[in-house]
Amino acid sequence: AQTVTQSQPEMSVQEAETVTLSCTYDTSENNYYLFWYKQPPSRQMILVIRQEAYKQQNATENRFSVNFQKAAKSFSLKISDSQLGDTAMYFCAFMKEGYSTLTFGKGTMLLVSP
Amino acid sequence: SAVISQKPSRDICQRGTSLTIQCQVDSQVTMMFWYRQQPGQSLTLIATANQGSEATYESGFVIDKFPISRPNLTFSTLTVSNMSPEDSSIYLCSAGTEYYGYTFGSGTRLTVV
Repeated sequence: AQTVTQSQPEMSVQEAETVTLSCTYDTSENNYYLFWYKQPPSRQMILVIRQEAYKQQNATENRFSVNFQKAAKSFSLKISDSQLGDTAMYFCAFMKEGYSTLTFGKGTMLLVSP
Repeated sequence: SAVISQKPSRDICQRGTSLTIQCQVDSQVTMMFWYRQQPGQSLTLIATANQGSEATYESGFVIDKFPISRPNLTFSTLTVSNMSPEDSSIYLCSAGTEYYGYTFGSGTRLTVV
């Protein structure tokens, strides 16, 4: 079974600064997908970024980028130029190719302050 | 990516009663998923809803407690039956594809009193 570990229960950052959220996972699969989801207080789960394991290039979406280290089974999320609206719970998730079900980490609560 | 409408957004229910949650997707999808998120916790998969067949339940979840319907490729319901206070959670549905990622409904906050 796959496991996803987020070792930082809470993180704080000031507006305009950069923050990195950590995620590690354990799997014996070679082909899989990784995701970061954001859940603000409204509780809507929002897909932030996704990464295919077979792609060496790290995914980027505007201010969000990942550092995907397949050998180390690490998938960290970097948020640049943090904004107050980035305050949310962030979940890292794993999906085995062809299975469609997501395994989530416990989440990291990110607080962006002025 | 799919847009999902979920309702109700919240409800307060008496113990022993049942609540049915609905999810409507704006496009046809093969599979839909139902998750539970207990207060301050991560998401746990309840079941996968397949059109035309019975839902596939994860360990710890049973059909009698969480019956699921999937009458077509854009709609699914989850019923929480014979509720107790321990069922108080946020329930979310999800759909999508590996390539585009999975989107979620806005969630149903259930409180059982």
